[in-house]
Amino acid sequence: EVQLVESGGGLAQPGGSLRLSCAASGFTLRNYAMSWVRQAPGKGLEWVSGISDSDTQTYLADSVKGRFTISRDNSRNTLFMQMNSLRADDTAVYYCAKEMSYALTGYYQAWGQGTLVTVSS
Amino acid sequence: QSALTQPASVSGSPGQSITISCTGTSSDIGRYQFVSWYQHYPGKAPKLMIYDVNYRPSGVSNRFSGSKSGNTASLTISGLQAEDEADYYCSSHSSSSTVVFGGGTKLTVL
Repeated sequence: EVQLVESGGGLAQPGGSLRLSCAASGFTLRNYAMSWVRQAPGKGLEWVSGISDSDTQTYLADSVKGRFTISRDNSRNTLFMQMNSLRADDTAVYYCAKEMSYALTGYYQAWGQGTLVTVSS
Repeated sequence: QSALTQPASVSGSPGQSITISCTGTSSDIGRYQFVSWYQHYPGKAPKLMIYDVNYRPSGVSNRFSGSKSGNTASLTISGLQAEDEADYYCSSHSSSSTVVFGGGTKLTVL
């Protein structure tokens, strides 16, 4: 069974940093593209970042460019999101999402349960 | 990277059909076949319902169907059931290999 378990969320101060992790099981992470998607309180889904299966291509939404970095450790079956210079509008539930294939198409076949990030002083 | 435009809410009675529209631009929906739809119950993980405009993943009811014309995609749910009441999001691949979601539509089954 495919499982994605996020961790690393919590309370951060404006300007602070957090590192999210997503532990994958039930499939071989290296064979799939992955993404992070977030949902702010009372808002809709927002794509944040994606990474190719081979780790050679990474993409970021304009809203987080220059502040967030996506990476993966295929040997540990884990996806990461380093979040720096956090702002109040980064407050959201962050979901780890598995693509249907190696390609970055936006077809998220599996999702984690999400980890809450709150940015507040 | 502007969000795709969806109606905030739609409603229908059990057994009826409803359609949710999703309007983008020539840089996303109008350019790519990578359009998908998600069903989302609050507090739960979203579920992929439609991909490639009109394909259903295994296990998704054939009451759900998708289509696209120009810059607008649509999700149709036929034979509405109470359990269909949820939030629905469209999504499209966009230029620069990014992904854009719609603002979401709350479906109420009357």
